[in-house]
Amino acid sequence: GAGVSQSPSNKVTEKGKDVELRCDPISGHTALYWYRQSLGQGLEFLIYFQGNSAPDKSGLPSDRFSAERTGGSVSTLTIQRTQQEDSAVYLCASSKTGVDTDTQYFGPGTRLTVL
Amino acid sequence: GDSVTQMEGPVTLSEEAFLTINCTYTATGYPSLFWYVQYPGEGLQLLLKATKADDKGSNKGFEATYRKETTSFHLEKGSVQVSDSAVYFCALNGGTGTASKLTFGTGTRLQVTL
Repeated sequence: GAGVSQSPSNKVTEKGKDVELRCDPISGHTALYWYRQSLGQGLEFLIYFQGNSAPDKSGLPSDRFSAERTGGSVSTLTIQRTQQEDSAVYLCASSKTGVDTDTQYFGPGTRLTVL
Repeated sequence: GDSVTQMEGPVTLSEEAFLTINCTYTATGYPSLFWYVQYPGEGLQLLLKATKADDKGSNKGFEATYRKETTSFHLEKGSVQVSDSAVYFCALNGGTGTASKLTFGTGTRLQVTL
């Protein structure tokens, strides 16, 4: 597609429920990243995929968070047993291989609210 | 580890004023440096980048020069407009031109008034 897309744009859930957030990167981009943006913590890195493997998942805050990527394209971030502190905007980005691999292009984000 | 420090906001300027937003960094190796902008209600957009010392990134009248000796990447614009009102984030990629995570500063909100 023309840009990184994310769905849903907004998600309201109750504490303890599981949620899935989806990211569709720019076509042909092999690297995919998840970040979250919250008032207290700013912009934090969560996990990075190169193809379908995750060389760096150092930012996942707990084992309630997991992510997968299939077919080298779409990625899903899953949060189990959501807590109120998980409320944030979850951002996905992608970058290409070859030239300009360090430039990441961001999607519009998914705003997650945990009640 | 890598870190980015940028000036606290908000920064309030009158239209046509000169803008500087300071950014300094700590990193091992030779990072690439970025400024991203987030307009109200929108996602992060790449504003400009520089990949090596003394490189100048520029876009839409904004400029920033990669200064290795002072580990800085200050954002400047000669004459701001109301439409420049947004949050500006300085960031680095420690992967030396390869794919790796971005480390962001806390963001600086710019408000431009008529």
